[in-house]
Amino acid sequence: DAKTTQPTSMDCAEGRAANLPCNHSTISGNEYVYWYRQIHSQGPQYIIHGLKNNETNEMASLIITEDRKSSTLILPHATLRDTAVYYCIVRVRGLQGAQKLVFGQGTRLTINP
Amino acid sequence: DVKVTQSSRYLVKRTGEKVFLECVQDMDHENMFWYRQDPGLGLRLIYFSYDVKMKEKGDIPEGYSVSREKKERFSLILESASTNQTSMYLCATTQTGNTIYFGEGSWLTVV
Repeated sequence: DAKTTQPTSMDCAEGRAANLPCNHSTISGNEYVYWYRQIHSQGPQYIIHGLKNNETNEMASLIITEDRKSSTLILPHATLRDTAVYYCIVRVRGLQGAQKLVFGQGTRLTINP
Repeated sequence: DVKVTQSSRYLVKRTGEKVFLECVQDMDHENMFWYRQDPGLGLRLIYFSYDVKMKEKGDIPEGYSVSREKKERFSLILESASTNQTSMYLCATTQTGNTIYFGEGSWLTVV
């Protein structure tokens, strides 16, 4: 079954770029990669998603490798409020063709002053 | 504004009780999901539904069932609650290819 793999934790200095990697080696051609983050006791917050091309929005950039087996979320200028658990998610086909969401374990990102 | 509403944020139930967790979405999405989240284990998929009355087991369906009688509502049922089902439960919805929306979570304690 498809899965995603992320480092358990990372640290980054405030103001620097935070680069969070995710491996999704079994992803298939039409499956999207999504990134969410979760601050304690709240529901996950959408950050960005992509299929093949690199994507950028007001929150972050997403770099997907050409073979699509891994991606990197980039927070260009990390702030203390970016401290959270970051999840990489792929959408995979379930048994009856329906799409289900597969979460990695998440990366606990700590931004240090 | 997009909304995914989980009816109960905090519940305390006794062992053996039947527990219903409700999730309602206002976006006419086909796909709805129930996850549980535990420290160190991340989010684990319990069940999901891709249409009314259609469901599929996730990774940890044991001890749970679900109901989707109307498109906007997806219920998670614990037939006989046990202490190892103490957890935070998250509902999510999405239309194929689009953004995934999450509820705020339901914290269940079984004593």
